[in-house]
Amino acid sequence: AQKVTQAQTEISVVEKEDVTLDCVYETRDTTYYLFWYKQPPSGELVFLIRRNSFDEQNEISGRYSWNFQKSTSSFNFTITASQVVDSAVYFCALSAHNNAGNMLTFGGGTRLMVKP
Amino acid sequence: NAGVMQNPRHLVRRRGQEARLRCSPMKGHSHVYWYRQLPEEGLKFMVYLQKENIIDESGMPKERFSAEFPKEGPSILRIQQVVRGDSAAYFCASSPWRDTGELFFGEGSRLTVL
Repeated sequence: AQKVTQAQTEISVVEKEDVTLDCVYETRDTTYYLFWYKQPPSGELVFLIRRNSFDEQNEISGRYSWNFQKSTSSFNFTITASQVVDSAVYFCALSAHNNAGNMLTFGGGTRLMVKP
Repeated sequence: NAGVMQNPRHLVRRRGQEARLRCSPMKGHSHVYWYRQLPEEGLKFMVYLQKENIIDESGMPKERFSAEFPKEGPSILRIQQVVRGDSAAYFCASSPWRDTGELFFGEGSRLTVL
């Protein structure tokens, strides 16, 4: 069975602060994918990143960066110099190779509020 | 390139009525997944379908819910005799292959049961 835990249910920061969203996962599979999605107040799911289990290189995309640590089963997401438009619910998700193909297991989400 | 299309975007039903949610996957995608997001919660897997076949329905409630993905036309999630607890956002996702980690989500259908 797979499990994704996002321990922070809600985070509030002031604009320009850096913020890190934690994600811890559990799986017995050796091949899997990890994802982050953003869900703004409008409700759609915005894909941010996909990382496969064989690639532990950290990634940076503009103000976003991701830290994948297989040793601690974590895939944390950092927003540098946060902006009000970053306010959203962020979901971490795991897809492991099993009979259900690309089925994702989602964490409970972290609501990020960035105040001006 | 059209993305995953879901309709209706918003649906209001009274208790006891039926709700039908449609999902047209991206062109060339034959794998479809349905997820449900209850208010203030994360998304939960419901069912995985490949053309004309249900591959995994482990997340589907045992009663009143059904899904299909016919050879022609969109995938349909059907909820019979809706109750207030069915109020949620229902997301559809599609992928071109199995086990590639490529999953594309629609914008969701929001069901409100009065």
